[in-house]
Amino acid sequence: EPEVTQTPSHQVTQMGQEVILRCVPISNHLYFYWYRQILGQKVEFLVSFYNNEISEKSEIFDDQFSVERPDGSNFTLKIRSTKLEDSAMYFCASSDWGGAFFGQGTRLTVV
Amino acid sequence: SQQGEEDPQALSIQEGENATMNCSYKTSINNLQWYRQNSGRGLVHLILIRSNEREKHSGRLRVTLDTSKKSSSLLITASRAADTASYFCATDTNTGGFKTIFGAGTRLFVKA
Repeated sequence: EPEVTQTPSHQVTQMGQEVILRCVPISNHLYFYWYRQILGQKVEFLVSFYNNEISEKSEIFDDQFSVERPDGSNFTLKIRSTKLEDSAMYFCASSDWGGAFFGQGTRLTVV
Repeated sequence: SQQGEEDPQALSIQEGENATMNCSYKTSINNLQWYRQNSGRGLVHLILIRSNEREKHSGRLRVTLDTSKKSSSLLITASRAADTASYFCATDTNTGGFKTIFGAGTRLFVKA
């Protein structure tokens, strides 16, 4: 069964460093998303991406964040200068018209 | 504005009992989805119901949707200890882009 894969599963980084979280969406999906979940809190929408551009973003998705689809298969989330409060699980998702399917997440720990 | 809101926040039942979780939302939707999340793990897609559907089944899961009341319910029949998880409803809205907005979830604990 097709699935969304994310790498790495866990990333530890120092405050101020740049991180890139990687995702391979389901191959025939056209819509891609990033979400985050701070420990013990709800899943929060960050950004949606369609047709090689951002279609919607939340207030969380400020200038420190960027997304890219560098080739036909990968979808990345970059955080330019990480802060302690960026520590969270980051989930990638992709969808067609049949619902959004999520990866297992990358646990980002900023120290 | 907040979309999915699950009720109750937490539910504890015995194995074999049925579990019912409810979700309410505020604006018009295209689809409503239910997900399961085991502690610290990924989100597993359980079932999607479209706005023109009223009921859907998948194994031990039964989902209903009442668009007039902007509410949905997830029924898990004959629960098992392995069903212990958090359950989220999520709504898709086409407001110039597609995004799935999650509620805070219902934490289900099934006692063996």
